[in-house]
Amino acid sequence: DAGVTQSPTHLIKTRGQQVTLRCSPKSGHDTVSWYQQALGQGPQFIFQYYEEEERQRGNFPDRFSGHQFPNYSSELNVNALLLGDSALYLCASMNNPTEAFFGQGTRLTVV
Amino acid sequence: QQPVQSPQAVILREGEDAVINCSSSKALYSVHWYRQKHGEAPVFLMILLKGGEQKGHDKISASFNEKKQQSSLYLTASQLSYSGTYFCGTEKEYGNKLVFGAGTILRVKS
Repeated sequence: DAGVTQSPTHLIKTRGQQVTLRCSPKSGHDTVSWYQQALGQGPQFIFQYYEEEERQRGNFPDRFSGHQFPNYSSELNVNALLLGDSALYLCASMNNPTEAFFGQGTRLTVV
Repeated sequence: QQPVQSPQAVILREGEDAVINCSSSKALYSVHWYRQKHGEAPVFLMILLKGGEQKGHDKISASFNEKKQQSSLYLTASQLSYSGTYFCGTEKEYGNKLVFGAGTILRVKS
């Protein structure tokens, strides 16, 4: 059983560019959450998707947007990248809103 | 509100015990514990639910004091494999987002 998979694993972008990160949830999981983890910090909640709708959102600007597809996979889009967006982006999936399984993350570097 | 974890870091020798604490200023529905090794994804360890129901890892235990909104993770007879950063994540209501603490770095030496 494949766990949560994220792509790409690493990415380098220039300030002002746009980026799309992808997540495939664990089999049987219908809820996907995205987190941003800066170096030395805990994961910060960005938003959560369930049944293709954004169900909850953290304190992130509108530059951060997402999507969930009918097969429960999800994308995170970030527009107008800033240097401060450099971080590890984690996707977590769950089939009930308690136990979350994390993917390996996408390391985004903005230069 | 981000939960507060203590200590920030701890160094142990194999076989020693450790306690990691997590405090919240808000009433909680649940507390989740994760361990993250360098360059890897956080791995689920334990969940403590309001009302006392508990699940978790076979070699690690935890408690949840609902009156104080505090949780503690107990690592006994530590092994080298316990090294990593431990995060608590708190949930205010069922289905609500998880808010993580800043983490506790644990290093076990031989």
